[in-house]
Amino acid sequence: EPEVTQTPSHQVTQMGQEVILRCVPISNHLYFYWYRQILGQKVEFLVSFYNNEISEKSEIFDDQFSVERPDGSNFTLKIRSTKLEDSAMYFCATVRDRGRIDNEQFFGPGTRLTVL
Amino acid sequence: KNEVEQSPQNLTAQEGEFITINCSYSVGISALHWLQQHPGGGIVSLFMLSSGKKKHGRLIATINIQEKHSSLHITASHPRDSAVYICAVKDDNTGNQFYFGTGTSLTVIP
Repeated sequence: EPEVTQTPSHQVTQMGQEVILRCVPISNHLYFYWYRQILGQKVEFLVSFYNNEISEKSEIFDDQFSVERPDGSNFTLKIRSTKLEDSAMYFCATVRDRGRIDNEQFFGPGTRLTVL
Repeated sequence: KNEVEQSPQNLTAQEGEFITINCSYSVGISALHWLQQHPGGGIVSLFMLSSGKKKHGRLIATINIQEKHSSLHITASHPRDSAVYICAVKDDNTGNQFYFGTGTSLTVIP
């Protein structure tokens, strides 16, 4: 069964460094999301992406964050200058199309980001 | 912003018991998603609902749009059902943004 993959599974970085988290969506999926989950807290929406542009973003997704799909397969989340509070699990999710409101999301296994 | 509340927060059940997890939300929605998060952190989609009821194996999800409430039922619970169950809603106003509940941690004892 096709699945969403994410790399790396765990990233440790120093505060102020840039990180890039990668997601490979299911091949015929067109609509992509990034979420984060701080340890012990609920999952939070960051951004959605469709047709090579941001469709919607939350207040968490400030200028330190960016997303792109550089090569038509990988979907990346970049954090330019990491802060301690960016430590969290980051999940990528994909949807086959946006036409049906009941289309389920398929989640990747997550990347655990630890900022020291 | 849609406020999503789940109850109970924690639930312990004996194997074989019928389990109900509840989700309520504050603003009208276009869809509601039930998810399962395993102890390792991975998230699996269980159901996406916009109305009525869906069933998959021992899992049943219902939604009452007028009451802004959904329930997830597990029949004949099993220790492998132990996980955190999360409700997420896509409300009418924010397009494709999902709002998540804090989850219900279920432990099924053999």
